[in-house]
Amino acid sequence: AQKVTQAQTEISVVEKEDVTLDCVYETRDTTYYLFWYKQPPSGELVFLIRRNSFDEQNEISGRYSWNFQKSTSSFNFTITASQVVDSAVYFCALRSMGGTSYGKLTFGQGTILTVHP
Amino acid sequence: GAVVSQHPSRVICKSGTSVKIECRSLDFQATTMFWYRQFPKQSLMLMATSNEGSKATYEQGVEKDKFLINHASLTLSTLTVTSAHPEDSSFYICSATLAGAMLTGYTFGSGTRLTVV
Repeated sequence: AQKVTQAQTEISVVEKEDVTLDCVYETRDTTYYLFWYKQPPSGELVFLIRRNSFDEQNEISGRYSWNFQKSTSSFNFTITASQVVDSAVYFCALRSMGGTSYGKLTFGQGTILTVHP
Repeated sequence: GAVVSQHPSRVICKSGTSVKIECRSLDFQATTMFWYRQFPKQSLMLMATSNEGSKATYEQGVEKDKFLINHASLTLSTLTVTSAHPEDSSFYICSATLAGAMLTGYTFGSGTRLTVV
């Protein structure tokens, strides 16, 4: 069975602080994909990044960076110099590539990020 | 890029009535669509997977007679909540993908907030 754990339920920071959102996953698949999504108050899911299990290179996109550590089954997300517009719920998700769960996304519980001015 | 349109964005209905939610892929053919449910401040829970032209596959605990899913064409899937009750009030969101793109992307609709009074 797949499982994604985001231990941080809520995080509150002041603008310009750096913040890291943790994500730990469990899967028996050798091939899988990991995602991060942003959900602003309006509700839609905004795709941030996809990473496959064979690519452990860290990635940076502007103020966003991701650290994939297969050895610890973690895929953490860091926002540098946070801004008020970053306030949202962030979900980490795992896509199964095997068996009856093929293609399904398993979401973590989500982390509510509030950035104060 | 791929766009998924979901309607209505908000609906209020009386207890005992049925509500239909549409999910359309606007610029690609979605061979597979997923329906999720999200309670306030909670994660997205997969309800069912729908493949064009075949019956939907429901997750454990989801009543298939209550949540009717139809995926009659490659661009449209519908979720009908039958005999809705207040406990069905939730945020419903669909996602669509194209066969062959399962290894890459999902596109999410903007969600439907259902309130049953």
